[in-house]
Amino acid sequence: DAGVTQSPTHLIKTRGQQVTLRCSPKSGHDTVSWYQQALGQGPQFIFQYYEEEERQRGNFPDRFSGHQFPNYSSELNVNALLLGDSALYLCASSLGGRGGLEQYFGPGTRLTVT
Amino acid sequence: GNSVTQMEGPVTLSEEAFLTINCTYTATGYPSLFWYVQYPGEGLQLLLKATKADDKGSNKGFEATYRKETTSFHLEKGSVQVSDSAVYFCALSGDNNDMRFGAGTRLTVKP
Repeated sequence: DAGVTQSPTHLIKTRGQQVTLRCSPKSGHDTVSWYQQALGQGPQFIFQYYEEEERQRGNFPDRFSGHQFPNYSSELNVNALLLGDSALYLCASSLGGRGGLEQYFGPGTRLTVT
Repeated sequence: GNSVTQMEGPVTLSEEAFLTINCTYTATGYPSLFWYVQYPGEGLQLLLKATKADDKGSNKGFEATYRKETTSFHLEKGSVQVSDSAVYFCALSGDNNDMRFGAGTRLTVKP
């Protein structure tokens, strides 16, 4: 049973550039959530996709956008990168888009902005 | 809005010591509560969960009870091992399914 996978593992970008991160959910899951985890902190909710639509969004600027494909995989895009965007980006999957469910996390993508 | 406050670390214990990591929450409605663990260089792994008041979640010797009257979900283990060294996160998920995490507590267990 394949778990949540993310690519790439590591990424280095320059300020002002754009980046795309990818996530494949756990087999059978249809909901994908994205989180930003700064060093030494807990994950912060960015947004959630279900049925190819953004359903919930945390307190992140419009520079952060996403997409969900018909096969439930998802992308996170960040435009106009800032130094403060350096973090571990985690993808999590769950089933059914309902509240209160456990989420299964991928290993994350470590983004460094220089 | 929903939030989680977690005991700050780091916590250093000797092997076989008793562990408690405190977690309290603020939420509207009836959230589900979780403990996740993060080992170095890895993503988060679900450790245990509780979905309603008075539920006890347990896994690998860890336990936590959903206390609605005190809005708490403290993590306990009777005898920690070196392999339990990791960062532990308390989290809640409400009706909107946006999971909120505490800041994390780093546990180091020494032999």
